[in-house]
Amino acid sequence: AQSVTQPDIHITVSEGASLELRCNYSYGATPYLFWYVQSPGQGLQLLLKYFSGDTLVQGIKGFEAEFKRSQSSFNLRKPSVHWSDAAEYFCAVVAPGGRRALTFGSGTRLQVQP
Amino acid sequence: SQTIHQWPATLVQPVGSPLSLECTVEGTSNPNLYWYRQAAGRGLQLLFYSIGIDQISSEVPQNLSASRPQDRQFILSSKKLLLSDSGFYLCAWSAGRVIGELFFGEGSRLTVL
Repeated sequence: AQSVTQPDIHITVSEGASLELRCNYSYGATPYLFWYVQSPGQGLQLLLKYFSGDTLVQGIKGFEAEFKRSQSSFNLRKPSVHWSDAAEYFCAVVAPGGRRALTFGSGTRLQVQP
Repeated sequence: SQTIHQWPATLVQPVGSPLSLECTVEGTSNPNLYWYRQAAGRGLQLLFYSIGIDQISSEVPQNLSASRPQDRQFILSSKKLLLSDSGFYLCAWSAGRVIGELFFGEGSRLTVL
């Protein structure tokens, strides 16, 4: 069965510092990959997605993610974090051609220090 | 534009009481509809998934059920709530042809006492 692992439950970075959130997946083939962000008490918003092609994908709010097949990873990055980026981040996968319901990781909560 | 409405936003219920959470999507037709649950400190667990009226897939057993009485309405129910049902419930929709791009409601926080 496919699974998504986000090894970091909680990360704290200083405002202006760079950020990398890790995501690893386990699946027989390369799934479609997504990053979502959730502000406290809110629903989730799509940041970016990868289906195929260029392994570095750009998203909203200055985020990017890099797909590395050899590492089964899809890490999210941002060069300079803003205080408003404090939120919970979820990696998700879905099997190409499979049912259209995403499997989410357990999430990484990001705190931003002034 | 498409919108998704979910209610109630907050609910406190005693153990053994029934539950009904409602979700309505506007501005689109034939959406795929989803119910996820987010327990404290945990990720999102898919509960139900529907690609059309009377086409509902259940991902978890137990005491929850879902219904889709209209194309853009999705209801999550329980006849008797358990303590373990507490959590944050999220409704979401996607267009059939857009893979994985889910649009989420604002969520319903359920506390079972």
